[in-house]
Amino acid sequence: EAQVTQNPRYLITVTGKKLTVTCSQNMNHEYMSWYRQDPGLGLRQIYYSMNVEVTDKGDVPEGYKVSRKEKRNFPLILESPSPNQTSLYFCASSLSSASYNEQFFGPGTRLTVL
Amino acid sequence: GDSVTQMEGPVTLSEEAFLTINCTYTATGYPSLFWYVQYPGEGLQLLLKATKADDKGSNKGFEATYRKETTSFHLEKGSVQVSDSAVYFCALSDPVAGNMLTFGGGTRLMVKP
Repeated sequence: EAQVTQNPRYLITVTGKKLTVTCSQNMNHEYMSWYRQDPGLGLRQIYYSMNVEVTDKGDVPEGYKVSRKEKRNFPLILESPSPNQTSLYFCASSLSSASYNEQFFGPGTRLTVL
Repeated sequence: GDSVTQMEGPVTLSEEAFLTINCTYTATGYPSLFWYVQYPGEGLQLLLKATKADDKGSNKGFEATYRKETTSFHLEKGSVQVSDSAVYFCALSDPVAGNMLTFGGGTRLMVKP
């Protein structure tokens, strides 16, 4: 089954404790991205990757890091989480960076930073 | 920069009622337009899309037409069902910005039997 998976689905942590949210897709997609969803703001892009070893900032990159060492994986790293990073996070992938391509979303990771 | 504005919810309708959710946009380039739907506890799923002016996207009884002159992409359905209860997001992807999706704030739809 074609899908985007994320782990963990739920995470409660404390300020300053490094964490990684994993994302994996099995569709051989070139393009992957991370979004955060906050009430009333819709989804906002954090980082994206057009291919292996190619990453760039989205609209709200502060406090986040990413890497793309393999085509299928795109982990999101919070090196020193803060309470304002409490949010619902979605990983997405698409065939390429062409604007007409549909993006496929993972099930989401709900992060709470105390 | 690019932006998407959609009507605030929640929208509450009775089953079989007509649905319209308004969406307007501003974009630097010539964007592709999308409607995504989010069911409770799930990720977003593509509902429909349109990639050029006057294109009509349709799926599961939902329709939206790309109107360049009014910069709009309103979502419509002739007869809603309880199973349509979800949050609906209008979004654009501007070729100037690669494949980054710019989303509206989302509209929660509740359909009562």
